[in-house]
This record gives sequence, C-alpha cells and structure tokens, in this order.
Amino acid sequence: QVQLVESGGGLVKPGGSLRLSCAASGFAFNDYYMSWVRQAPGKGLEWISFISGITTATSYADSVKGRFTISRDNAKNSLYLQMDSLRAEDTAVYYCARGRNWYDYWGQGTLVTVSS
Amino acid sequence: EIVMTQSPATLSVSPGERATLSCRASQSVTVNLAWYQQTPGQAPRLLIYGASTRAPGVPDRFSGSGSGTEFSLTISSLQSEDFAVYYCQQYNNWPPWTFGQGTKVEIK
Repeated sequence: QVQLVESGGGLVKPGGSLRLSCAASGFAFNDYYMSWVRQAPGKGLEWISFISGITTATSYADSVKGRFTISRDNAKNSLYLQMDSLRAEDTAVYYCARGRNWYDYWGQGTLVTVSS
Repeated sequence: EIVMTQSPATLSVSPGERATLSCRASQSVTVNLAWYQQTPGQAPRLLIYGASTRAPGVPDRFSGSGSGTEFSLTISSLQSEDFAVYYCQQYNNWPPWTFGQGTKVEIK
C-alpha cells in the first residue's frame, strides 16, 4: 500500500535551516509528481511546492520562493524540502503529498517550529 | 491568485442528517476542484476531484457538484466519522494551487 513518511521536523531559531525528508513506498515513485503542503497551527492548508517525476521541474509559492528548495532522489524513493532563512511564520506541520493538481495520498506530517 | 471561499465556517448537523458545504472561487476554475476531509490530528484525505469524481474508497454518501465558480459537497446522511473539517482546493490556475479556509462540520 502507498505510504509516505515525513521526518526532519523540529525546533529551529529564526534564520536557521532544516531539511525535511519524505520516504515513499508502495508505488512507482518516479512516475508521480510530489508536493509539499503545510498547515500552521489551527489554520488551513497551504500549498508550498511541487516537483515533477522525471524532469524534476519545480514550482514554489511566493511565501517560500528563494528560501525553500524541493528535490527528490528517485533511486531512494525520497522527497526532500530544504528550508533556509526560516521565519516564525513558517511554523507549521509539513505534509508531503502525492500529486500535483490534487493529492491522493498524504504523509502524517512533521512539525516545524521556528522560535527563539 | 484564485481565492477560494468556503461557507459556512461551521455547520452544526445531527447524525443521520444531510449536510451541504459550499465553496466559491474568485474566478472560474471550470471543474478543476477537489475536496478533502481532515479529522483532528490527522492528514487530509482526498474525497472528490474533478468537482464530482469520488476518490477510490470514498463512500457514496459523499457527492460533489458545481462548475465555474460555485461548488458544493453534500454528505447525504452524516455518520459519526464524518464530523471533521472539509477543504476545497482549485487546480485550474496555478501556481499557486489554493485551498479554501475550511468548513468544520460539528455534531448538533
């Protein structure tokens, strides 16, 4: 069955960096676009980035453009999100999700807290 | 950016009753709309895509309708597991892909 498992969240100071990972299993990973969606505490969902399966084309929300970098390693069935210059407003649960337009499978999420 | 507006913010419904949730787009998204369900502490779950196509495994008490700028999600007879927050999301004009702010369906 399809599984997505995020890791790498934690507490980081403003201006710091974190790298999130998402381990995928149960499907042909390189056939699928993958996305990151976040949810601030008590708030709604915000799309932040996607990456295509083979060509690794990417796109970012304006709120993270220039600070976050999405990547993937198809040999390892893994998705990544490098987050630099973190701000308090980046505090959220970060989900990896399968798909580009709609998201049919989601991980359980990993919490990123940006605070001094 | 397309703004998605959901109403009402909270819907109080008794088990077994019908619930209708609304989603409005700031400009036409044709039928490029999805609905998700999120229960507390859990990841969102895809219910509907293409405005009206149920995702695999979704019970047929969930139905989606609409096109252009007006959409609705109907739950025909609410079960206990259906009390949750529901989000709509457009994928017609991107980036960004945008979500509504959510409708919470609570027990009356």
